[in-house]
Amino acid sequence: AQSVTQLGSHVSVSEGALVLLRCNYSSSVPPYLFWYVQYPNQGLQLLLKYTSAATLVKGINGFEAEFKKSETSFHLTKPSAHMSDAAEYFCAVSEFNQAGTALIFGKGTTLSVSS
Amino acid sequence: EPEVTQTPSHQVTQMGQEVILRCVPISNHLYFYWYRQILGQKVEFLVSFYNNEISEKSEIFDDQFSVERPDGSNFTLKIRSTKLEDSAMYFCASSEARGGGTQYFGPGTRLLVL
Repeated sequence: AQSVTQLGSHVSVSEGALVLLRCNYSSSVPPYLFWYVQYPNQGLQLLLKYTSAATLVKGINGFEAEFKKSETSFHLTKPSAHMSDAAEYFCAVSEFNQAGTALIFGKGTTLSVSS
Repeated sequence: EPEVTQTPSHQVTQMGQEVILRCVPISNHLYFYWYRQILGQKVEFLVSFYNNEISEKSEIFDDQFSVERPDGSNFTLKIRSTKLEDSAMYFCASSEARGGGTQYFGPGTRLLVL
C-alpha cells in the first residue's frame, strides 16, 4: 500500500528565506509524486509532479522538488520565500500516471511567511 | 482559466438526513473524483467516475454514498443517511482522459453533521 508522510504540520520562515517542506513516501511500485498547494478558500492547485522523466522537477511560482529514490523522499523547496507563498501544501502519491487513479495524500504542511 | 466549482460552500445538516454535494467539473474533462478531509486528517480518496460508471472507489465509499452525473455539467455526491463522522471538507476534482490525467480540484464543501 502506498502512503505519504509530511514532516512538520507547520513551517514558518521569513520573507526571502529558503523554504523546505518535507515529504517521504512509501510505495511498492515506482511512484508518481505530486505537490499541491491550497490557498484560503480555494481548491488544491498542482504545483508540480514527478513522472520519472527527471529527478529534479520544476513547478510554478519558483518551487521545485527532487525525487530521491534512496531516501524515498520528494521534498519541496523554494530559494526565497514570498509573503504570497503562505498556504497549505500537500504531497501526494499515485500508483499509475493515468486518469482515474486515486491520489494518496499526506496530512499537509501549513507554511507561514513573516516579513 | 477553467476551474472546478462546488456548491454549497458550507452545509449544516442533522444526523440521519440525506445531503447532496454538487460539483461542476471542467467542461472537457471526462474523469471525476471525490475526496474528503476530516479536520486535522489527511485528504482521502473516495471515488473516481468515468463514462457514467465508478472506475475506482475506496473502503470509505460504502453503501451510504453514491455518485451521479445527472446531466452534461454536474457531478454529485449523495450521502443517504449522514453520520457525525461524515463531517468533513469534501473536494471534487476532474481530469482529462489522456496523458497523466492531472487532477484539478474545486474549493470544497464543508459539511457539518449535528
